Amino acid sequence: GQQVQQSPASLVLQEGENAELQCNFSSTATQLQWFYQSPGGSLVSLLSNPSGTKHTGRLTSTTVTKERRSSLHISSSQTTDSGTYLCAPSSNYNVLYFGSGTKLTVEP
Amino acid sequence: EAAVTQSPRNKVAVTGGKVTLSCNQTNNHNNMYWYRQDTGHGLRLIHYSYGAGSTEKGDIPDGYKASRPSQENFSLILELATPSQTSVYFCASGVSGGAGQNTLYFGAGTRLSVL
Repeated sequence: GQQVQQSPASLVLQEGENAELQCNFSSTATQLQWFYQSPGGSLVSLLSNPSGTKHTGRLTSTTVTKERRSSLHISSSQTTDSGTYLCAPSSNYNVLYFGSGTKLTVEP
Repeated sequence: EAAVTQSPRNKVAVTGGKVTLSCNQTNNHNNMYWYRQDTGHGLRLIHYSYGAGSTEKGDIPDGYKASRPSQENFSLILELATPSQTSVYFCASGVSGGAGQNTLYFGAGTRLSVL
């Protein structure tokens, strides 16, 4: 399966600042998804971006397929953005492999 | 809204005992997955299934069995539980195939402690 490295491991911001999260993976990915895990543990999909740039709300993801990397930009962070962000590439269309995540803390 | 339900939510088991974690999805998704999450390791894939009657090994299948008796249900079985299997287990379902849109829907997780 894929080897997935996410950086930074943790990040502390003041409300209103922007966050940049990085994901590098070992094999060519046909899919790339970003997930959010709440402090309580629940997991939800944020967006799917196998290549190029995709926006949704305050989130922007850029995936460079050939370089096997993806980033997630969070603009104007809010305290409710606090949690762990997980990157999950896939080499086929069926199995996602997860990184260890970036733990984001947004302080008021 | 996709719904994946795991049971039990919490479980304490004894070493050497048998543990069964259950997962039910009402989304009619072909694919189902079992992951475990430990501090510092993210989510690691244990077993997955493409449909009723099928099970596939993930990255860390040793010590685990899986069963997919129907489209809706996918179980994870620990025949002889060990303390190293203490973890949080997540079940997920997803649509198979196609470009870019195999979004996974996760259950709330099961916290298992093996003493």
